[in-house]
Amino acid sequence: KNQVEQSPQSLIILEGKNCTLQCNYTVSPFSNLRWYKQDTGRGPVSLTIMTFSENTKSNGRYTATLDADTKQSSLHITASQLSDSASYICVVSGGGSYIPTFGRGTSLIVHP
Amino acid sequence: GAVVSQHPSWVICKSGTSVKIECRSLDFQATTMFWYRQFPKQSLMLMATSNEGSKATYEQGVEKDKFLINHASLTLSTLTVTSAHPEDSSFYICSARGGGPGQPQHFGDGTRLSIL
Repeated sequence: KNQVEQSPQSLIILEGKNCTLQCNYTVSPFSNLRWYKQDTGRGPVSLTIMTFSENTKSNGRYTATLDADTKQSSLHITASQLSDSASYICVVSGGGSYIPTFGRGTSLIVHP
Repeated sequence: GAVVSQHPSWVICKSGTSVKIECRSLDFQATTMFWYRQFPKQSLMLMATSNEGSKATYEQGVEKDKFLINHASLTLSTLTVTSAHPEDSSFYICSARGGGPGQPQHFGDGTRLSIL
């Protein structure tokens, strides 16, 4: 069964600090992995996408890593800002049907 | 970048009425559109996948007669919640994809549906 597990479920950090979110998956065969940011009451917005051959992808203060061997990904946020408060969702595509499998998300709260 | 517009953003209506939600791809042709449902603090749950001109494929447990999906053009899909009841209250999100399975999905901003 295709699954995507994210940790931690929620995280509270102070503004300016760094943090790392984790994503483990069992989707096979693997096509790509995306990280999305979802603000409360809004639709998800894509941050990064990585295919099998890529192990790092950056988008501003967001850096995603992928280890296709261990089926793990991380999203590192540098110098957090209040606007980073949101839910971060890991989505893995593949599994034959290419229907994306969504993680439950990590709820990040950045305090001033 | 690719833009998906979802309308309305918020609906409040009485139990028993039907509600239609529109999802439009504004600057690309969406060969496939997806409809999701999201409960508070939960991840998105796929309800159905629709390809332009074809009948939608519903996920297990989703009533096709309850949630009518139409994808009549490459830029528009609609979800109609028929005879809505309070338990149908949720956040509904659509996404659109142009091209094949490896292409990215672009999400609308969602519709918050509240049934009284």
